[in-house]
Amino acid sequence: GAGVSQTPSNKVTEKGKYVELRCDPISGHTALYWYRQSLGQGPEFLIYFQGTGAADDSGLPNDRFFAVRPEGSVSTLKIQRTERGDSAVYLCASSRGGINEAFFGQGTRLTVV
Amino acid sequence: DQQVKQNSPSLSVQEGRISILNCDYTNSMFDYFLWYKKYPAEGPTFLISISSIKDKNEDGRFTVFLNKSAKHLSLHIVPSQPGDSAVYFCAASNSGGGADGLTFGKGTHLIIQP
Repeated sequence: GAGVSQTPSNKVTEKGKYVELRCDPISGHTALYWYRQSLGQGPEFLIYFQGTGAADDSGLPNDRFFAVRPEGSVSTLKIQRTERGDSAVYLCASSRGGINEAFFGQGTRLTVV
Repeated sequence: DQQVKQNSPSLSVQEGRISILNCDYTNSMFDYFLWYKKYPAEGPTFLISISSIKDKNEDGRFTVFLNKSAKHLSLHIVPSQPGDSAVYFCAASNSGGGADGLTFGKGTHLIIQP
């Protein structure tokens, strides 16, 4: 498809487990963003990639969270030792330029039980 | 501490009338503001933006007003249509709308009544 694709769309995992969330950006988009939206809140910035490198990871809440984009296209958000508080919708966006030109994916709903 | 505040969780407006969604911010370093629209089970969609050097930006039925002295912006939709029913997020940037992350409000659920 032509849009940003996120897989899986839903993920249920047990507390303490490791999860990976995948984002396929729009082809040719060099900028990629991860956001997290908890229930009743607006999206919260996690990390921004320009190409393969993380240009800004100041939004990652702690060292259990890590993201990679090894070839400057697909990105994976990795969460270790998941906690119930990690339950949220994780949104990915990609852009050719700035964030105001970014397109969001539909998100991955993560539920930690 | 919420730097971008949308104090109305929901708003109900009759079809054909004007919808006004409000947003306040506290960080004076913000210099670019955006509105996003979100339907259930979809990602946010960019709607309209405004730079801090302007006080108004219009695009079709959508107009955003910025009052820097009051640190307040609003989104006007006129006339409101049933397809406008969605959650609207106000967001702000301190990089001129560049590549850095945005700070979002909690959103306002707009309901257009037939």
